Amino acid sequence: ILNVEQSPQSLHVQEGDSTNFTCSFPSSNFYALHWYRWETAKSPEALFVMTLNGDEKKKGRISATLNTKEGYSYLYIKGSQPEDSATYLCAFIGGTSYGKLTFGQGTILTVHP
Amino acid sequence: DAGVTQSPTHLIKTRGQQVTLRCSPKSGHDTVSWYQQALGQGPQFIFQYYEEEERQRGNFPDRFSGHQFPNYSSELNVNALLLGDSALYLCASSLGASGNNNEQFFGPGTRLTVL
Repeated sequence: ILNVEQSPQSLHVQEGDSTNFTCSFPSSNFYALHWYRWETAKSPEALFVMTLNGDEKKKGRISATLNTKEGYSYLYIKGSQPEDSATYLCAFIGGTSYGKLTFGQGTILTVHP
Repeated sequence: DAGVTQSPTHLIKTRGQQVTLRCSPKSGHDTVSWYQQALGQGPQFIFQYYEEEERQRGNFPDRFSGHQFPNYSSELNVNALLLGDSALYLCASSLGASGNNNEQFFGPGTRLTVL
């Protein structure tokens, strides 16, 4: 059974704060790590697909890093805005999984104006 | 491009009944995966269809079955519904030939309530 853990479970920040959260996953048989943003009443939206140890990816104010040797990824949001409020999910793909995503339970981010 | 669509949006059934959920993948995608999201948990993988065959399956009982049609759309069937089957069911599409790391596009989900 694969264990993908996210922390914290929920986070409340003020507009303008920078924040980060963690995804931990098995360090063996790694293939890829996905990050998704899921706003209420919408579909989960892919943020990043990360495959290489040491990968750093950026999309606007959001960035992510990957450490496959120790089995963790960080997601950073710089200068949080209320529209960043969402559930952030990470999902692990193992080497023989044919794209089967194993999700963490998510981090619920609320940004207060 | 309509993206991934799912129907119906909401569904209420009673224990013991059977249900069919439908998914149309993003244009050009040939692989469909189904996930169940129970309250407070991340989505859990049910199964994946590629070239009209079940390519792999998660830890779900045989009451959960599926089908993929030649146009790549897919159905998820659940028989003998239990209260614990109440959840949001998500469909995701991807391009199978791109390999394991390809991005998956999700639909908005079908909310199933079993009474």
